Amino acid sequence: DVKVTQSSRYLVKRTGEKVFLECVQDMDHENMFWYRQDPGLGLRLIYFSYDVKMKEKGDIPEGYSVSREKKERFSLILESASTNQTSMYLCASSSDRVYTEAFFGQGTRLTVV
Amino acid sequence: AQRVTQPEKLLSVFKGAPVELKCNYSYSGSPELFWYVQYSRQRLQLLLRHISRESIKGFTADLNKGETSFHLKKPFAQEEDSAMYYCALSGLGVLTGGGNKLTFGTGTQLKVEL
Repeated sequence: DVKVTQSSRYLVKRTGEKVFLECVQDMDHENMFWYRQDPGLGLRLIYFSYDVKMKEKGDIPEGYSVSREKKERFSLILESASTNQTSMYLCASSSDRVYTEAFFGQGTRLTVV
Repeated sequence: AQRVTQPEKLLSVFKGAPVELKCNYSYSGSPELFWYVQYSRQRLQLLLRHISRESIKGFTADLNKGETSFHLKKPFAQEEDSAMYYCALSGLGVLTGGGNKLTFGTGTQLKVEL
């Protein structure tokens, strides 16, 4: 029944490390999203992708990049992790149909020390 | 640009009292609006969408284009309604032919007290 899977539930990384967060969906969805969730700030969109190799910046793309080489997989990359990137990261996917529901992963709690 | 505003971070009500979670949006086109809910230790999930015009778990939401609002309402709060609620808007991506960008508000924590 699980539709969107994030590779890790918890991660602890050191400042300056390159960090990869992986997300896989099994619903053949066109759209995939990466958000970070912080108390009081809600869900902020980092990047989204509407097709293989296609990506769009969200509201807070600085310090992040993404990769979508296959339709089912969307990776978030922190080029050089910093302590202010400590957060909960949520992946989601949706189809291109109108009024479509977005399905979320379980989240990755990233701590940068 | 598309934006969603939820003015209340926390809403505390007693069981049986009416609930209204406020949501205002900014979008130049015709919006697709949703309410998502996150119960403790669970994934974020869809509660309802404006096009459905149906009641889910006793909740309803009406799109008011004049006031650019999509408030979530329930006449009688129940303890199991305690959760984080997010209003969301889906719009076209920046590029022509792009996907549907999904933007969320900051969320409202609903606490139903006995």
